[in-house]
Amino acid sequence: EVQLVESGGGLVKPGGSLRLSCAASGITFRNAWMSWVRQAPGKGLEWVGRIKSRVDGATPAYAAPVKGRFTISRDDSRNTLYLQINSLKTEDTAVYYCATGGGRNLDNWGQGILVTVTS
Amino acid sequence: QSVLTQPPSVSAAPGQKVTISCSGNSSNVGNNYVSWYQQVPGTAPKLLIYDNNKRPSGIPDRFSGSKSGTSATLGITGLQTGDEADYYCGTWDSRVNAPWVFGGGTKVTVL
Repeated sequence: EVQLVESGGGLVKPGGSLRLSCAASGITFRNAWMSWVRQAPGKGLEWVGRIKSRVDGATPAYAAPVKGRFTISRDDSRNTLYLQINSLKTEDTAVYYCATGGGRNLDNWGQGILVTVTS
Repeated sequence: QSVLTQPPSVSAAPGQKVTISCSGNSSNVGNNYVSWYQQVPGTAPKLLIYDNNKRPSGIPDRFSGSKSGTSATLGITGLQTGDEADYYCGTWDSRVNAPWVFGGGTKVTVL
């Protein structure tokens, strides 16, 4: 069974930074493309970005609203995906989900982690 | 404003059928596979349909997907109260600034 468990969320002030983690099990993580998707309160899904597998170049790609502030990375030795968020804005308040895929589909999803940006 | 256009809501009685449309353009729906996601309130999204019309293991055949040109459609037959959820379409977008896009979501209500 595939399990994705996000951690690292919480309350942060505007301008602050946060690093989210996503621990994966039940998959061959090193072969998986991985994505981050967020959902602001009461809103729809918004794709944040994805990182390819190392064999495919481990190349990240980002949605325009987060490019330059968000960085996606992976540690295949720990089966863990990361999302570094800098210069946080109030509009970054959302539940952040990690998911496998990001090419054709988003196959498996974590339970999500809440990030609240407020002064 | 979402790149992919979905109706905000659809509704039907138990046992009936609903369809949800997802309209895009040639840079997304028209030239890439479409997937559909179900999100029951308070839970994480779940993959419902992939590659336009395929169902992952465990998804009942009451759910179906199709695509024609720059539009895709999700169908749900034999509607059940447990189908009340938000449904999102998603696909890759060939434009550099929007690699992956979702529709705005459709709320399905079982009357």
